Amino acid sequence: TQLLEQSPQFLSIQEGENLTVYCNSSSVFSSLQWYRQEPGEGPVLLVTVVTGGEVKKLKRLTFQFGDARKDSSLHITAAQPGDTGLYLCAAMDSNYQLIWGAGTKLIIKP
Amino acid sequence: GAGVSQSPRYKVTKRGQDVTLRCDPISSHATLYWYQQALGQGPEFLTYFNYEAQPDKSGLPSDRFSAERPEGSISTLTIQRTEQRDSAMYRCASSLTWREGSNEQFFGPGTRLTVL
Repeated sequence: TQLLEQSPQFLSIQEGENLTVYCNSSSVFSSLQWYRQEPGEGPVLLVTVVTGGEVKKLKRLTFQFGDARKDSSLHITAAQPGDTGLYLCAAMDSNYQLIWGAGTKLIIKP
Repeated sequence: GAGVSQSPRYKVTKRGQDVTLRCDPISSHATLYWYQQALGQGPEFLTYFNYEAQPDKSGLPSDRFSAERPEGSISTLTIQRTEQRDSAMYRCASSLTWREGSNEQFFGPGTRLTVL
């Protein structure tokens, strides 16, 4: 069974701090997606990483795909209250089905 | 349409009743997914469609759950003889295709089902 494990499950930090959340698996994936979900809304895609070792930046967010394509990280610099949300990683399995991590719930306190 | 829509947004029903949830995907999207999502958790896969075909329904919790997409557009998820444990947020998502590179999923607002 392919699983995506996200850590930490919950993170609460002050505005302006930096943070990193992780998405790990024992399986190799050809691509991995990060979504953010705000309360009462559905998940919204932030980025897709495809190449092992790839780094993508989206303003203050930096996404990295592990060299072995088994793990990924999301680093947020100078976090703001607007970054608050549930961060989900998802990866496609061999049946073309996206499997999802349980998410990291992030709260940024002003 | 401009986005994925779902109806109803909220449904309260009594145990034993049947319910049908509706999803209207983005019109150009071939692939449609149904998920169950608990508060603060990631989506749990139920089933998906490529046009009207349903390649995978392994995530459906029991045979009381069924889904259809007869014309490859609107889909319904039906739960027969509802039980309290069926109470959850049910989310629909669609993507351009199921293939990597065009499989960004766009989610609907969800239907909150409460079984009393």
